[in-house]
Amino acid sequence: AQSVAQPEDQVNVAEGNPLTVKCTYSVSGNPYLFWYVQYPNRGLQFLLKYITGDNLVKGSYGFEAEFNKSQTSFHLKKPSALVSDSALYFCAVRDGGGATNKLIFGTGTLLAVQP
Amino acid sequence: DGGITQSPKYLFRKEGQNVTLSCEQNLNHDAMYWYRQDPGQGLRLIYYSQIVNDFQKGDIAEGYSVSREKKESFPLTVTSAQKNPTAFYLCASGTVRGTEAFFGQGTRLTVV
Repeated sequence: AQSVAQPEDQVNVAEGNPLTVKCTYSVSGNPYLFWYVQYPNRGLQFLLKYITGDNLVKGSYGFEAEFNKSQTSFHLKKPSALVSDSALYFCAVRDGGGATNKLIFGTGTLLAVQP
Repeated sequence: DGGITQSPKYLFRKEGQNVTLSCEQNLNHDAMYWYRQDPGQGLRLIYYSQIVNDFQKGDIAEGYSVSREKKESFPLTVTSAQKNPTAFYLCASGTVRGTEAFFGQGTRLTVV
C-alpha cells in the first residue's frame, strides 16, 4: 500500500534562514511525488512534482525538493524563508505504474516563519 | 476562468439531514476526487471517479454518496449515516494519465 509520512507537525524558522520540510514515502512501483501548500480555509495549491529525471526539482515561489530513492524521501526546501511562506504543507504520492492516479497525502506540516 | 468551483463555502446541517456539496470543473478533466480534511489527519480520500457514470470508494466512503452524470460535475452527498460529518471537504480534478491534481477552495461543513 502507498503511504506518506511527514514526521514534523510543525517547523519553525526565522525569516531569511533556509527551511526544510521532511517527507518520506512508501510505494510499490515508481513513485510520483508532490508538494502542495494550503493557506487557512483555502484549497491546496500545487507547488512541485517529481516524476522522473533530475532528483532536484524546482517549483513555485522559490521552493525546491530533492528526491532520494535510497532514503525514500522527498524533502521540500527553500534557501531563504519569507514570513509569507507560513502555511500548511502537504506531501503526496501516487504509484506511477498503478491503475489509478489517486493521490495519497501525508498529515501535513505547519510551517511558521518568524520575522 | 478555468478551474474548480466548490459551493457553498460554508454549510450548516442539522443532525439527521442529508446535504449535498457541489463541485464543478471546466478544465476538461476526466478524473475527479473528494477528500475530507480533519485537523492532524491530513486529507483522506472519500470517493473518486475516472470517467462519467463510474466511481470508486476511497478510504472513508461510509456515510457518503456521489454521482458522476456529467464530466464537469461530481457532487458529494453527506448522508445522515455519516456519524461525524463536521469537516473541511475538498474536491479535486486531474487527467487520468496526468500527474498532479487541482483543488477547489473547499466547503466547510458544520453539524449544528
